[in-house]
Amino acid sequence: EAGVAQSPRYKIIEKRQSVAFWCNPISGHATLYWYQQILGQGPKLLIQFQNNGVVDDSQLPKDRFSAERLKGVDSTLKIQPAKLEDSAVYLCASSGTIGTANTEAFFGQGTRLTVV
Amino acid sequence: KNEVEQSPQNLTAQEGEFITINCSYSVGISALHWLQQHPGGGIVSLFMLSSGKKKHGRLIATINIQEKHSSLHITASHPRDSAVYICAVRSYNTDKLIFGTGTRLQVFP
Repeated sequence: EAGVAQSPRYKIIEKRQSVAFWCNPISGHATLYWYQQILGQGPKLLIQFQNNGVVDDSQLPKDRFSAERLKGVDSTLKIQPAKLEDSAVYLCASSGTIGTANTEAFFGQGTRLTVV
Repeated sequence: KNEVEQSPQNLTAQEGEFITINCSYSVGISALHWLQQHPGGGIVSLFMLSSGKKKHGRLIATINIQEKHSSLHITASHPRDSAVYICAVRSYNTDKLIFGTGTRLQVFP
């Protein structure tokens, strides 16, 4: 079974530039998560989608971060403009819907962003 | 207080030692994951547990639902086991994946 695909794997940008990350979840997974992991810390949820609807984006800095999952499949996370403190690993995960047989969560390899 | 707490935060061991990493959580869960993260950030899922115990090679994971506690054991540790180990739970009510802050393990030859 193919895993959660993320790209790019690494990205270096200057502050105030824009950047976009892409995630393709496991086929059929309704739930998609984006996490930000700053070095030395655990992952922090940025946004959670159920199909193409947003379930939780309470910790997404909406002045500069945006995410979409238009067709309920793959998703993009954008930062515009980037700040130095956005340097982190951005992780995507997906899972099936609770109550179905497909509840295990799968994790992408992450995108390591460095803002200079 | 974090909803998922791990201990210890940092752990060093000599090759061959038996290692235990603990995870406690405070929410109702549908599943608990143990993850391994190497330098570079990529995450590998080691186990998903909803009850009991699972074993894969030298790794053993247990969960006690009543006590809201899970442990990850590594037998005969090896330097290649050096990584960050993260506990993550899936909230039964919100479907959120909530992560612990991780345990940094270093195994020396």
